[in-house]
Amino acid sequence: RKEVEQDPGPFNVPEGATVAFNCTYSNSASQSFFWYRQDCRKEPKLLMSVYSSGNEDGRFTAQLNRASQYISLLIRDSKLSDSATYLCAGRTGNQFYFGTGTSLTVIP
Amino acid sequence: EPEVTQTPSHQVTQMGQEVILRCVPISNHLYFYWYRQILGQKVEFLVSFYNNEISEKSEIFDDQFSVERPDGSNFTLKIRSTKLEDSAMYFCASSEFSGTGELFFGEGSRLTVL
Repeated sequence: RKEVEQDPGPFNVPEGATVAFNCTYSNSASQSFFWYRQDCRKEPKLLMSVYSSGNEDGRFTAQLNRASQYISLLIRDSKLSDSATYLCAGRTGNQFYFGTGTSLTVIP
Repeated sequence: EPEVTQTPSHQVTQMGQEVILRCVPISNHLYFYWYRQILGQKVEFLVSFYNNEISEKSEIFDDQFSVERPDGSNFTLKIRSTKLEDSAMYFCASSEFSGTGELFFGEGSRLTVL
C-alpha cells in the first residue's frame, strides 16, 4: 500500500495555461502536507506547505481536503521555468512519505 | 539561509568497496534522514535518526548500511560493501519539529558503483 499516490503524468501544457495536480494519501493520521519541486538531477526543494484552509503563493495554490484525503496544487499562468517534477509529501509523526512525482513540461 | 550540505557531490567506487557519505544538517534541526533516488525513479526513504539513534528504517536499509552522528554537526551514511544497484543519488535531509515541520534536502551525493 502506497502512503501517497500521484499521477506521474507527464503533463505537457502551453505557456500561460493553468494546470492542476492531485495527490491522495492513505494515512488519515498524517499531520502535515507539502509540495516539493524537483528539477532533473537536483534535490527536491520545498515549494509550499499545504494547509486545511488552502494557501496561495503567487501563481501557486495548494489545498488540502482531509475528508477525501487528497491534496492539490494549482499553477496559474504557467511559465517555461515551471517545467519540473512536482512531488507531494505527507508527514506522519517524524516520517515523510513522498509520491512518485508528476512531470510537468511547459511548452512555448 | 541555512542549508543542508553534503559531501562528496559525486563519488565513483568499485563494487565491494566501502563508501561514507557525509552530511551537515541545518544546525537547529533535530530529525535527520537519508533518502535515495535511482535515476528516473522516485525518492525512497532509507532511514531516520533522532536523539542519536535510528528511529525508523526501510527495507532498503539492510546490514550493509549504517548511520552515525560522530559529532555535533555531521551525520554520515556508510555503505559497507557497495553493489552495482547502490548506484543512486543519496539525499540527506533534516527537519526541525516533530509533526508539522518541513523537510529540507541537501544537494545530494551521486554514487556510481562500477
